[in-house]
Amino acid sequence: GAGVSQTPSNKVTEKGKYVELRCDPISGHTALYWYRQSLGQGPEFLIYFQGTGAADDSGLPNDRFFAVRPEGSVSTLKIQRTERGDSAVYLCASSPLGQAGGPVRTGELFFGEGSRLTVL
Amino acid sequence: QKEVEQNSGPLSVPEGAIASLNCTYSDRVSQSFFWYRQYSGKSPELIMSIYSNGDKEDGRFTAQLNKASQYVSLLIRDSQPSDSATYLCAVNRMDSSYKLIFGSGTRLLVRP
Repeated sequence: GAGVSQTPSNKVTEKGKYVELRCDPISGHTALYWYRQSLGQGPEFLIYFQGTGAADDSGLPNDRFFAVRPEGSVSTLKIQRTERGDSAVYLCASSPLGQAGGPVRTGELFFGEGSRLTVL
Repeated sequence: QKEVEQNSGPLSVPEGAIASLNCTYSDRVSQSFFWYRQYSGKSPELIMSIYSNGDKEDGRFTAQLNKASQYVSLLIRDSQPSDSATYLCAVNRMDSSYKLIFGSGTRLLVRP
C-alpha cells in the first residue's frame, strides 16, 4: 500500500486482557515509531526502531508494553494485562533513515490512521 | 511545566482572515520545530518545518521561530473552512533527532 497501515483500527478489550496492535510501514522506510495519543493531547513517543532493533524504547510506560519488528518491516506493539488507563489511539509512523540515524527530512514522519484501543 | 505548550483553543476565525497559532517550548537544546495538522479522527501530517530563527513561507503558511524567546508560530493566510483542524507543534533535540515532542495542539475553526 501507499501509506502506513495499522490493524485493527478499533479494539475493545476487557481489563487484564492481552492486546496486539500491528503496523505495516511504507515500503523502504527503515525507521519505525510508535506513539500514543490520548484524547485532547498530542502524540506521545513510545519507541523507535532502526531496522529490526529498538534504538530507543524510553517512552514505553512500563514493562507491560513491548514492541517487536523481527524482519525490519512489520511491527507489533504488545500490551499485557491491559488497564483502563491504556485506552488511547496508538499511532505508528515510518520514515526513511538519514545519515544521522534520524528521518531524512528530520521531523517528517508518515503516520498511519492509528489503532483506537478501549479497555473496559 | 510541559516541554511544548500550546493554547488548546478553539481559535475561531472568519474565512479569509489570518489565523495565528502559537507554541512555546521549554528546552533550550531543542533543535528543529514542526507544525503538524490533524483533522478530526485522522492522523497527523507534516505541513511546515523550521530550523533557524526568522520566517519560512510555504504557500499560505508561514512559520516563525524565535529561539531567544523559545517561541514558534504558524500563520495561515486567507484561511479556508478546510483549514479547520487541530494544529500540533512539535520539537526535537539534536541528541535524539528521531524523537518528536508534541504539544497538545490548538484547535482551529474557520467560519464560512
